[in-house]
Amino acid sequence: GAGVSQSPRYKVAKRGQDVALRCDPISGHVSLFWYQQALGQGPEFLTYFQNEAQLDKSGLPSDRFFAERPEGSVSTLKIQRTQQEDSAVYLCASSLPPTSGSRDTQYFGPGTRLTVL
Amino acid sequence: QKEVEQDPGPLSVPEGAIVSLNCTYSNSAFQYFMWYRQYSRKGPELLMYTYSSGNKEDGRFTAQVDKSSKYISLFIRDSQPSDSATYLCANGGSQGNLIFGKGTKLSVKP
Repeated sequence: GAGVSQSPRYKVAKRGQDVALRCDPISGHVSLFWYQQALGQGPEFLTYFQNEAQLDKSGLPSDRFFAERPEGSVSTLKIQRTQQEDSAVYLCASSLPPTSGSRDTQYFGPGTRLTVL
Repeated sequence: QKEVEQDPGPLSVPEGAIVSLNCTYSNSAFQYFMWYRQYSRKGPELLMYTYSSGNKEDGRFTAQVDKSSKYISLFIRDSQPSDSATYLCANGGSQGNLIFGKGTKLSVKP
């Protein structure tokens, strides 16, 4: 039973480069979330997919950030023209859809630590 | 004002102590309350999850929610060095994203 996996685990980019971060959710998990965690802070929501549909992207900080999940499983978070303030850990989480009267647990991956020089 | 407020610590206690971690939240619409534990360079893992006011116990851990004061707590009894981690409180609706506090870094000294 594999958990959520993310790759790469570490990424160093020069300012202005584009980066792509990958998330493999738990098999069968319909919902997928991306969060950004700055040093010493809690995770902050970026975007949410249910299957291939991006239901909420209100947390994406700028139009340089783009996420996709074309086949409803693997997701990619792309950051164009990276800036130093983009340096953070990017966490992916997946969950089953909520059942009546309950909320399903979000299972987190280990994160990708992005450093922009 | 951030929707979930949490004292970042750090908090250092001797082994065997009772630990009390606390958060306040502002959005009454969110009915689900969670505590996540995050070890260094790892993703958060769910410890406790409550829906209503009151207490929920799981082994050495007790989660407490007081909706009237919008206050959530996590108590750890007989703390162990392996409990050293950052503890994140979070709340959310029935689906969708979670709102996290900053996290409290706990160190349990042997």
